[in-house]
Amino acid sequence: DTEVTQTPKHLVMGMTNKKSLKCEQHMGHRAMYWYKQKAKKPPELMFVYSYEKLSINESVPSRFSPECPNSSLLNLHLHALQPEDSALYLCASSQAGMWYNEQFFGPGTRLTVL
Amino acid sequence: DAKTTQPPSMDCAEGRAANLPCNHSTISGNEYVYWYRQIHSQGPQYIIHGLKNNETNEMASLIITEDRKSSTLILPHATLRDTAVYYCILQETSGSRLTFGEGTQLTVNP
Repeated sequence: DTEVTQTPKHLVMGMTNKKSLKCEQHMGHRAMYWYKQKAKKPPELMFVYSYEKLSINESVPSRFSPECPNSSLLNLHLHALQPEDSALYLCASSQAGMWYNEQFFGPGTRLTVL
Repeated sequence: DAKTTQPPSMDCAEGRAANLPCNHSTISGNEYVYWYRQIHSQGPQYIIHGLKNNETNEMASLIITEDRKSSTLILPHATLRDTAVYYCILQETSGSRLTFGEGTQLTVNP
């Protein structure tokens, strides 16, 4: 199984809502990532988890809160978002602690903030 | 600051080879060259990577110049399904961070 799944596929939320994005993989990968991709732009790294611990936070606003409850799951909790946060949110996973680092990406969650 | 430079767009006829260039003149000794592609409305997909030798897999070939300042991704027989944005990325051997540049939109025409 070389698949990364993300739910939901689409999400529309208001600026006062709280929602969560979910990501799951069963490849035994111990590194997981969140990326944000605006329309017609490349993906931008947000967070990296390595062995279930947050290892990289690319100065992401606190209205985005990541969580890695176990080695297969990665969540992104959303609260008080702004319309400019509307984007495609991509999750990825890879083996950790190796020189060779192929990342497997999910299909993304398309988020619209009203 | 972009570490790689790619043409914004390229066209290729179906069945012909697609050669996608990438300049990385400031590459350091511990950086690998990775290629990913992103088909519209999908997540990026790994294609191939290399350090200094040419590499080939079932998807593509990667040619890296001897001075490592540029590389070319070759899709030997492009199909319509190869239409995508192709990203050339430098990654340190010890790093987990992928920094995507603007990429090249490859359009394969029938």
